[in-house]
Amino acid sequence: QVQLQESGPGLVKPSQTLSLTCTVSGGSISSGSYYWSWIRQPAGKGLEWIGRIYTSGSTNYNPSLKSRVTISVDTSKNQFSLKLSSVTAADTAVYYCARTEQECSGGSCYWGGFDYWGQGTLVTVSS
Amino acid sequence: SYVLTQPPSVSVAPGKTARITCGGNNIGSKSVHWYQQKPGQAPVLVIYYDSDRPSGIPERFSGSNSGNTATLTISRVEAGDEADYYCQVWDSSSDHPYVVFGGGTKLTVL
Repeated sequence: QVQLQESGPGLVKPSQTLSLTCTVSGGSISSGSYYWSWIRQPAGKGLEWIGRIYTSGSTNYNPSLKSRVTISVDTSKNQFSLKLSSVTAADTAVYYCARTEQECSGGSCYWGGFDYWGQGTLVTVSS
Repeated sequence: SYVLTQPPSVSVAPGKTARITCGGNNIGSKSVHWYQQKPGQAPVLVIYYDSDRPSGIPERFSGSNSGNTATLTISRVEAGDEADYYCQVWDSSSDHPYVVFGGGTKLTVL
């Protein structure tokens, strides 16, 4: 059974960089055709996708956050990480890591739903 | 950017059928995934690729997708189905695919 666990500081000062790590257990982060994503949810609001990474290091980001986001992977530790720079109070949210699988056929690729999620970690941006 | 529109709330009596819609331009050409989220918990995938159910999800949950509307249907609604529900697609219209979530629908069991 795959499990994901977020870790990192729960409090970040405005203008600084938010850093979180997701540790994957119960399977190798490099196995299969899986993409690993970060998703956030401000209190009382909906879900917002931040970005994803493949174990090759290939990334895709939400266009609205792209200029401030970096996602990286460390296959030796079975982890992937998020860095979000120049944070403001608007970045206060529960941050989730999640997995999705890619399927390709006939020259086209498709991505399934997020089948495994971490429990989420609250990050508050405040001085 | 691609937009998904969900009703903010849906109410249904126990034992009845709840239908939660997700509107988007030609959404029928995309694959839609649905999530259930209860307070204080991470979302759970309940429908993927429009109408497939992950193992462990009751058959009462079903999905459809055509034209400009995708629908999550919950039959024989139970009190435990009360939650927020989100639809999601991948927008791969550019070289850089990204995820779009609907705004979420709060299902209230009367």
